[in-house]
Amino acid sequence: AQTVTQSQPEMSVQEAETVTLSCTYDTSESNYYLFWYKQPPSRQMILVIRQEAYKQQNATENRFSVNFQKAAKSFSLKISDSQLGDTAMYFCAFMKRNSGYSTLTFGKGTMLLVSP
Amino acid sequence: DAGITQSPRHKVTETGTPVTLRCHQTENHRYMYWYRQDPGHGLRLIHYSYGVKDTDKGEVSDGYSVSRSKTEDFLLTLESATSSQTSVYFCAISAERGLRSSYEQYFGPGTRLTVT
Repeated sequence: AQTVTQSQPEMSVQEAETVTLSCTYDTSESNYYLFWYKQPPSRQMILVIRQEAYKQQNATENRFSVNFQKAAKSFSLKISDSQLGDTAMYFCAFMKRNSGYSTLTFGKGTMLLVSP
Repeated sequence: DAGITQSPRHKVTETGTPVTLRCHQTENHRYMYWYRQDPGHGLRLIHYSYGVKDTDKGEVSDGYSVSRSKTEDFLLTLESATSSQTSVYFCAISAERGLRSSYEQYFGPGTRLTVT
């Protein structure tokens, strides 16, 4: 079974600054995907970024980037130029690569507060 | 927007009563999932479906049943609701391989269920 650990229950950052959220995971699989989801106060789960384990290059989506360290089983999310709208709960998630369906294992989340 | 709706969005019910939550999708995706979200636990998989009438259990399936008689609808039933089933319930879909990546899951808006 896979486990995902987010060791920071809460973090805060000021607007325009950079913040990094940590995530580690444990698995014996070699083919898998990792994701960061954002959940703002609206409760909607929003996919932020994904990383395929077989890719060495770190994924980037606008102000969001990851630092994927496969050997260390670490997958951190960096948010640059933080905005008030980034205030949300952030979940790291692991997905084992199956032939068709896919099931996610989530961490417990990190609450990020962006202040003016 | 993956065309996923959930109904009802909020429900309060009494212990021992049956409850059915509905997930409806408009894009004909094959794979559908039900998760529950509780403080301190992130999201946990209850059941999933890989086609009409094809379902399987997830991590926390006790006390829940599901049905999928049409591609577009995935129903979650609590046969006899208990206070421990007070939670926020999310439906998710993932696409067929070849159309959109089947390794990304997209979530509905969630249903807040309170069992008194």
